[in-house]
Amino acid sequence: DGGITQSPKYLFRKEGQNVTLSCEQNLNHDAMYWYRQDPGQGLRLIYYSQIVNDFQKGDIAEGYSVSREKKESFPLTVTSAQKNPTAFYLCASSIGGFIYEQYFGPGTRLTVT
Amino acid sequence: GQQVMQIPQYQHVQEGEDFTTYCNSSTTLSNIQWYKQRPGGHPVFLIQLVKSGEVKKQKRLTFQFGEAKKNSSLHITATQTTDVGTYFCAGLVYNQGGKLIFGQGTELSVKP
Repeated sequence: DGGITQSPKYLFRKEGQNVTLSCEQNLNHDAMYWYRQDPGQGLRLIYYSQIVNDFQKGDIAEGYSVSREKKESFPLTVTSAQKNPTAFYLCASSIGGFIYEQYFGPGTRLTVT
Repeated sequence: GQQVMQIPQYQHVQEGEDFTTYCNSSTTLSNIQWYKQRPGGHPVFLIQLVKSGEVKKQKRLTFQFGEAKKNSSLHITATQTTDVGTYFCAGLVYNQGGKLIFGQGTELSVKP
């Protein structure tokens, strides 16, 4: 059963701690994306990767880091430098670039106190 | 930077009424995609429009792409409670590095 998995569904952290959100896909997609969703706002692009070992900053990359060592995996680290990290984080993948439909994972809701 | 504006932000309708959400961009879009996010869920792709003036239908849903490729709309005929959710448009803008720009979404609630 192909799809995108994100874990955990809910995550709680203390301010000042780095936290890594997991994203795995078995769709054999080349491109993967991380978005942030805040109430009343659309999805904002954090980072994206169109090929293994390569990734680009999106519109709100400050305070975040990613890696793409395997085609299937695109973990996101929320660092202590992110000023307002509490949000719903969505990972997505597509066959190629942005021109193709994106398949989203179930999301991780991060709360930092 | 480039923005894709979507209106209205909220829409409350009685079951059976029609619903429309509008998406507007200040610059020409290469294509536009529409997604639906159920409450507590994740966005799910509905459709992509590419051609100027294109109209596509999916059962009770009608999607349009403007002649100038700067606006789009989603119209639902005779809403049902299963239509509840937030509808997002996402425009592909090449002068933004070819990234998708999402609208703020329209949250639809349907009263039975």
